[in-house]
Amino acid sequence: EAQVTQNPRYLITVTGKKLTVTCSQNMNHEYMSWYRQDPGLGLRQIYYSMNVEVTDKGDVPEGYKVSRKEKRNFPLILESPSPNQTSLYFCASSLSAASNEQFFGPGTRLTVL
Amino acid sequence: EDQVTQSPEALRLQEGESSSLNCSYTVSGLRGLFWYRQDPGKGPEFLFTLYSAGEEKEKERLKATLTKKESFLHITAPKPEDSATYLCAVHISGGYQKVTFGIGTKLQVIP
Repeated sequence: EAQVTQNPRYLITVTGKKLTVTCSQNMNHEYMSWYRQDPGLGLRQIYYSMNVEVTDKGDVPEGYKVSRKEKRNFPLILESPSPNQTSLYFCASSLSAASNEQFFGPGTRLTVL
Repeated sequence: EDQVTQSPEALRLQEGESSSLNCSYTVSGLRGLFWYRQDPGKGPEFLFTLYSAGEEKEKERLKATLTKKESFLHITAPKPEDSATYLCAVHISGGYQKVTFGIGTKLQVIP
């Protein structure tokens, strides 16, 4: 089954404790992206990747890091999480570019205390 | 600054009562406009992509249209299962691969 998976689905952590949210797709897609969704603000793009070793900032990249060492994986790293990063995070992938339809993962609900 | 504005924020319809959702955009160069559906607690699900003014696409009770300034998602004779949040997003030109989403319209269809 074609899908985007994220882990963990739920995470409660404390300020400053480094964490990684994993994202994996099995569709051989080149484009992958991370979003956060907050009430009243909608979905905002954090980082995106056009292919292996090619990443770029979205609209809200501060406090986040990403890497793309393999085509199927695109982890999101919070090196020193803060309470304002409490949010619902979605990973997405598309065939070759942002102009293609994106397939979204199920989401990761992160709470930073 | 590139902006995507959706209206209304919420819409309540009786089953069978047709209506339209609006997505207006002010961007420097549109490469694609997308409509997604999002159910509570789930990731967005792709509905349509529109690339140029005048383009229309249909899927079951949904029809999306595009002009130079806005897009409409028309819902004909909606059913309760059409209840969801509908998201509009744009991909702009200029060498970037960023996608900007609107806040969405929360649709409730009452039996």
